[in-house]
Formats: sequence, structure tokens, C-alpha cells
Amino acid sequence: EPEVTQTPSHQVTQMGQEVILRCVPISNHLYFYWYRQILGQKVEFLVSFYNNEISEKSEIFDDQFSVERPDGSNFTLKIRSTKLEDSAMYFCASSEEVAIYFGAGTRLSVL
Amino acid sequence: GNSVTQMEGPVTLSEEAFLTINCTYTATGYPSLFWYVQYPGEGLQLLLKATKADDKGSNKGFEATYRKETTSFHLEKGSVQVSDSAVYFCALGLSGSARQLTFGSGTQLTVLP
Repeated sequence: EPEVTQTPSHQVTQMGQEVILRCVPISNHLYFYWYRQILGQKVEFLVSFYNNEISEKSEIFDDQFSVERPDGSNFTLKIRSTKLEDSAMYFCASSEEVAIYFGAGTRLSVL
Repeated sequence: GNSVTQMEGPVTLSEEAFLTINCTYTATGYPSLFWYVQYPGEGLQLLLKATKADDKGSNKGFEATYRKETTSFHLEKGSVQVSDSAVYFCALGLSGSARQLTFGSGTQLTVLP
């Protein structure tokens, strides 16, 4: 069964450093997303991406965040200067029509 | 705005017990409704969905019916197994180019042998 794959599974970084989280969405999907889940809290929407541009973003997705689809298969989330409060599980997702399918997540730990 | 309210957890049941996890929603427009499951150490897996009123989503013995009159989408299973132990998330999504999901807070289910 096709799945969304994310790398790495765990990323540790120092505060102020840049990180790039990588994702390979399901191949025939057209919509891509990033969500995050801070430990013990709700899963929160960050951004959606369609037709090579951001279609919607939440208040969380400020100037420190960016997304890119550098080629036909990868979808990345960049955090330019990480803060302690960016520590969370980051989920990539993709969809074709109704249902959104999630990857296993990247746990980001900012020290 | 859109919101999803789930019953507070944690829920602890014995194997073969009946499960209900309540979920109600507030939404503008006509949302699609979803249940996702997160097993320990894993990501979110789509469990079932319903796209319009009175639809019943079902998978792996779990069921949920989209009730527009009560704005609910309660998850049920007739006989739970130890392997069903996980966190269950109710979510709603609206059609359109954004298609973002709004999640409930999750309900931890533990099934004891």
C-alpha cells in the first residue's frame, strides 16, 4: 500500500540552527501538508501546498517556516532558526480527494 | 470557527468489551469527518471516514455514523482487543483547496487482557 515517508525519524538540533524535514508524499497525490503535534497537545495544521504554491497556512506558520517541492517527489519543511518551542512531532501528509494520509512523523528536539 | 470535541480519556477496557468514544463537532459548511488512530511510537493512520450526513464509515470492526442532527461522529467497536490500544483522534475537514483538518484532543484507549 502506498504511504507517505518522512526522514529523519528523529532530529536533534541546537536552538538557532536551521533544520529541514523531508517527506515523500504518495505519488499520485496533488495536495501536501505539514502538521505538528507538541507533546500532549492536539495535532495542529501548519500549511497546505497545491500546484507548487502554498494554498493555506496557519498562524503558527510564520516567517521562520518555509516549504518547498524541489523535485517531482520530495516535499520539505524548513525552519530557519529553531526555538525551544519548535520541539514537536512534525507530520507530513498528502491527499488526492477527501482523505488525508499521514507519514510516521519526524520528532524534532530543539536543545 | 471549526472545532472538534472528544470525550476525555484515558479509557481503560477489558478485552471483548464494547467501546464508544464520543466526538462532536462545530463547523461551517458541510464537513467530512474522520477517525485517525495513533499506535505507540507511530504516526497517524486513517481509520475510517464519512463524507456526508448519515454515512457510516467502518474499518477493522470500528464504525462511526455521521449524524448531522446531533453534529456527532461517535466511534464504536463491539469487542475490543488488546491490539486496539492506541490514541484515537476525531477530525473534520472541509472541501476546497485547503483541505486542512481540525483535530480533537485525542482519546487514549488501553485494553487489558
